[in-house]
Amino acid sequence: AQSVTQLGSHVSVSEGALVLLRCNYSSSVPPYLFWYVQYPNQGLQLLLKYTSAATLVKGINGFEAEFKKSETSFHLTKPSAHMSDAAEYFCAVSGPHSGGSYIPTFGRGTSLIVHP
Amino acid sequence: KAGVTQTPRYLIKTRGQQVTLSCSPISGHRSVSWYQQTPGQGLQFLFEYFSETQRNKGNFPGRFSGRQFSNSRSEMNVSTLELGDSALYLCASSSTSLVSYNEQFFGPGTRLTVL
Repeated sequence: AQSVTQLGSHVSVSEGALVLLRCNYSSSVPPYLFWYVQYPNQGLQLLLKYTSAATLVKGINGFEAEFKKSETSFHLTKPSAHMSDAAEYFCAVSGPHSGGSYIPTFGRGTSLIVHP
Repeated sequence: KAGVTQTPRYLIKTRGQQVTLSCSPISGHRSVSWYQQTPGQGLQFLFEYFSETQRNKGNFPGRFSGRQFSNSRSEMNVSTLELGDSALYLCASSSTSLVSYNEQFFGPGTRLTVL
């Protein structure tokens, strides 16, 4: 079984500051990892995904994440926060389910607050 | 391409009633998954349909059911509503059945309030 832990339900940064959202995972098999973003009154949108091709993954809107197997982490970063980055961010790990399918397990989410 | 659409966007029901939610996936997508999102439990997987067959099911009671039509549109039904069913119900579509690297495309959700 797989699980995801997102450290910090809320992260507050100033505009222009570094964004760091933490995600640790547990998986019995090599993981496939995702970061999604959810803006108010909208569904989830994929930011980036790790599929073992490269440990540093670049996504949309200037976000990137680094897969560290030794630390079982997949933290999301962005060098400079914009006001438009304020949203809920979800880390997810995809693991095997019955019948050979893979079902994603989501973390509880981190709300990013950006101050002017 | 049009995105995933869900109707209705908002619903208010009372305990004991039943409700049906609808999801239209992205054109060409054959997999539709449903999720329940609540502040207390986060995002939880309900079930996945692929080519009109339920492929996967999460840990929800039998009151939660779904189906998929030949055009890939999906509906989920909740019978005998309870207060705890109040949630945002998200639908997600994918081009193939769920595999490890799948990207899912989410709709805006249906906000269900049970009074």
